[in-house]
Amino acid sequence: GQNIDQPTEMTATEGAIVQINCTYQTSGFNGLFWYQQHAGEAPTFLSYNVLDGLEEKGRFSSFLSRSKGYSYLLLKELQMKDSASYLCAFSNTDKLIFGTGTRLQVFP
Amino acid sequence: EADIYQTPRYLVIGTGKKITLECSQTMGHDKMYWYQQDPGMELHLIHYSYGVNSTEKGDLSSESTVSRIRTEHFPLTLESARPSHTSQYLCASSRGTSGKWGEQFFGPGTRLTVL
Repeated sequence: GQNIDQPTEMTATEGAIVQINCTYQTSGFNGLFWYQQHAGEAPTFLSYNVLDGLEEKGRFSSFLSRSKGYSYLLLKELQMKDSASYLCAFSNTDKLIFGTGTRLQVFP
Repeated sequence: EADIYQTPRYLVIGTGKKITLECSQTMGHDKMYWYQQDPGMELHLIHYSYGVNSTEKGDLSSESTVSRIRTEHFPLTLESARPSHTSQYLCASSRGTSGKWGEQFFGPGTRLTVL
């Protein structure tokens, strides 16, 4: 079967660093996506990993270990506007399988 | 910025009405998707399409139907709306399904309330 798991909620302080973990199981893997979704809005693309290692894009970085079925999203220099849900999704043969999302609250 | 549009953005209707939620994209993407999402909850795939004249049911059972007569257009229809259909409906499209081509671009969503 296939499944994907990430924490339900996390909190952090403005200016801090937070790591959101994601583990997955699947027989067919074509890459891993991270999306950001603000309350009441549509998800927007953050990052894509298909090879092991770290992909850095400004304040956001994403890491993948295919052998461990593990990814994380690292958010640095947190800002209040980073309060949102972060969705992990892996690509199988014909669609994306989304996790339930991690709701991140950033406090002053 | 993604070129995918949904109308209406908000809809309040009475039980038993037939409704169609519109979704259009101008990116020439073959793959299109419909998701249902309650506030603060996970995305549920209810329908998807590989291309013209192709439609598939998703992971969540839904009483809605879809059609794909043109590449750019993927409407979702509820023949008889019920309060249990109250939710946000998100449309998405992607160039393909493999690797980076599987990146999905989402429309702004339709928030449906059935009284």
